[in-house]
Amino acid sequence: KQEVTQIPAALSVPEGENLVLNCSFTDSAIYNLQWFRQDPGKGLTSLLLIQSSQREQTSGRLNASLDKSSGRSTLYIAASQPGDSATYLCAVLDSSYKLIFGSGTRLLVRP
Amino acid sequence: EPEVTQTPSHQVTQMGQEVILRCVPISNHLYFYWYRQILGQKVEFLVSFYNNEISEKSEIFDDQFSVERPDGSNFTLKIRSTKLEDSAMYFCASRNTGMTGNTIYFGEGSWLTVV
Repeated sequence: KQEVTQIPAALSVPEGENLVLNCSFTDSAIYNLQWFRQDPGKGLTSLLLIQSSQREQTSGRLNASLDKSSGRSTLYIAASQPGDSATYLCAVLDSSYKLIFGSGTRLLVRP
Repeated sequence: EPEVTQTPSHQVTQMGQEVILRCVPISNHLYFYWYRQILGQKVEFLVSFYNNEISEKSEIFDDQFSVERPDGSNFTLKIRSTKLEDSAMYFCASRNTGMTGNTIYFGEGSWLTVV
């Protein structure tokens, strides 16, 4: 059974810092991995999607990497801003085409 | 850009009442999903649906839940007799087939509060 784990559960950093969020998954038979942002009480905003054949994807200050064989992904956020404060969710598309989510990392960027 | 739309955005219901959450998937998508997120917890898979049949369901999706595609555009989740623990955000999602078929698109969610 696929399980997705995110570390750390919470993170507080001063504005301007570069940071890394970690995601691991137990079964490497995935089609893709996706990072989402979720603001309190809101829906899921897709940030980056990495296909299983890819190693990384970039969008603005965000860079996500995928090492499928070791079951790991990282989300790198450069020059963090208070507006980046949110919960970041990692999810993998498993062999039956359903997304399995991690518990998320709650990020607070302090001004 | 096409999007998945959900109604209502928020519903308050009394315990024991039936609730129907509605979703309009992206128009050319053929696979549909419901997910649930209890406050402060993970987003959890409930059910997937294709060709007018349930493809897969989780342990959470017991006999009090049902899904239906009543017409060519809507996809509904019915909870027959709501319990306090059904209070959650419910997300509908859809995907296409073929080359773009492994991207799942989510709606904004429907908050259900059972009192």
